[in-house]
Amino acid sequence: DSGVTQTPKHLITATGQRVTLRCSPRSGDLSVYWYQQSLDQGLQFLIHYYNGEERAKGNILERFSAQQFPDLHSELNLSSLELGDSALYFCASSVAGSDTGELFFGEGSRLTVL
Amino acid sequence: GENVEQHPSTLSVQEGDSAVIKCTYSDSASNYFPWYKQELGKRPQLIIDIRSNVGEKKDQRIAVTLNKTAKHFSLHITETQPEDSAVYFCAASLDDMRFGAGTRLTVKP
Repeated sequence: DSGVTQTPKHLITATGQRVTLRCSPRSGDLSVYWYQQSLDQGLQFLIHYYNGEERAKGNILERFSAQQFPDLHSELNLSSLELGDSALYFCASSVAGSDTGELFFGEGSRLTVL
Repeated sequence: GENVEQHPSTLSVQEGDSAVIKCTYSDSASNYFPWYKQELGKRPQLIIDIRSNVGEKKDQRIAVTLNKTAKHFSLHITETQPEDSAVYFCAASLDDMRFGAGTRLTVKP
């Protein structure tokens, strides 16, 4: 158990819908990262938050948005869903803001868009 | 942002042989280079890491080497075992962490 909690574990929805994925980092960790992993693909970096502020943005679509709340949990919002958005979405946390150090991954949220 | 390339994409070895996976990175300012192992259906987990002020690090059967001048780093696994079969990801980090595309390692008994 990494200490990072992601909900829901599985989500099935239809094209055009909107979903929210939630992540609670390890106790004491200030950074939250979001990654997308499509079938048999690598880990695509989406966005990084540190202590409530956006630190870096990767290949995140305009239809996707994220935020980190004062209690440090984070939410990834995916809207106008397309079939290609089906993937495993990982959240990871670390204690640092820069000089990343080890990332601790959650179990992931598997999104299926039908 | 940082761009990490990883080779090979698949690697098959016999049990007991060595396996080597290589990565290159683009941003010379990156200073932290971890390797993650992802077993089927599971989350990625750190197996070894190296910082830019170190050239080599070893932990039992696994080792990582870093060449800052050439901007490449490698993972070496010796005496491979079937339980080493997984997807391995390299990464490079400064303010965020970018991963390579992954290497699927298969160790045949």
